[in-house]
Amino acid sequence: DAKTTQPPSMDCAEGRAANLPCNHSTISGNEYVYWYRQIHSQGPQYIIHGLKNNETNEMASLIITEDRKSSTLILPHATLRDTAVYYCTHGSSNTGKLIFGQGTTLQVKP
Amino acid sequence: GAGVSQSPRYKVAKRGQDVALRCDPISGHVSLFWYQQALGQGPEFLTYFQNEAQLDKSGLPSDRFFAERPEGSVSTLKIQRTQQEDSAVYLCASSLGGIGEKLFFGSGTQLSVL
Repeated sequence: DAKTTQPPSMDCAEGRAANLPCNHSTISGNEYVYWYRQIHSQGPQYIIHGLKNNETNEMASLIITEDRKSSTLILPHATLRDTAVYYCTHGSSNTGKLIFGQGTTLQVKP
Repeated sequence: GAGVSQSPRYKVAKRGQDVALRCDPISGHVSLFWYQQALGQGPEFLTYFQNEAQLDKSGLPSDRFFAERPEGSVSTLKIQRTQQEDSAVYLCASSLGGIGEKLFFGSGTQLSVL
């Protein structure tokens, strides 16, 4: 099963970029990297995913290293509403099942 | 509805009671997943359905936990003879299925066993 390593917590100043790292050294060749975030009392919310290339959407950017063993989620201009637990994971190539670790608690400060 | 719907939102049970938690996935979604989330922890995988077939139940913690999806849409997670350690948020997620498809999560059912 997938196993990822993330720092337990990070702080970021409001308006600055938040860069959240993740190591996923056990990722298989056809497994996507997914990032989700969870705000208290809600289910995890999808942010972004990618296979090999860097990806960008309206929420964030995802940078995946060439060897695919690590990635970085970038929130370009963090707001107070981005305070949440951020989970990095990779999906089973057969089922799409995601295994979540402990995640990174991001605290955006004014 | 537009998203994954779970009910009830909160459930309080006395130890030893049976409970049933319901999940309405997004219409047309083939895959359905159940997760258990203890306070302060990440979601833990319980079981996975593809349509009505339960293809993976490796995460179910004991034989007191049972899940079904008889018609390939709505799913029910049943916990028999609840114990205090079953207290957690139970999350349901659905997806179109297959590689590269994202999971959509419901808000969960918070179960408290007294």
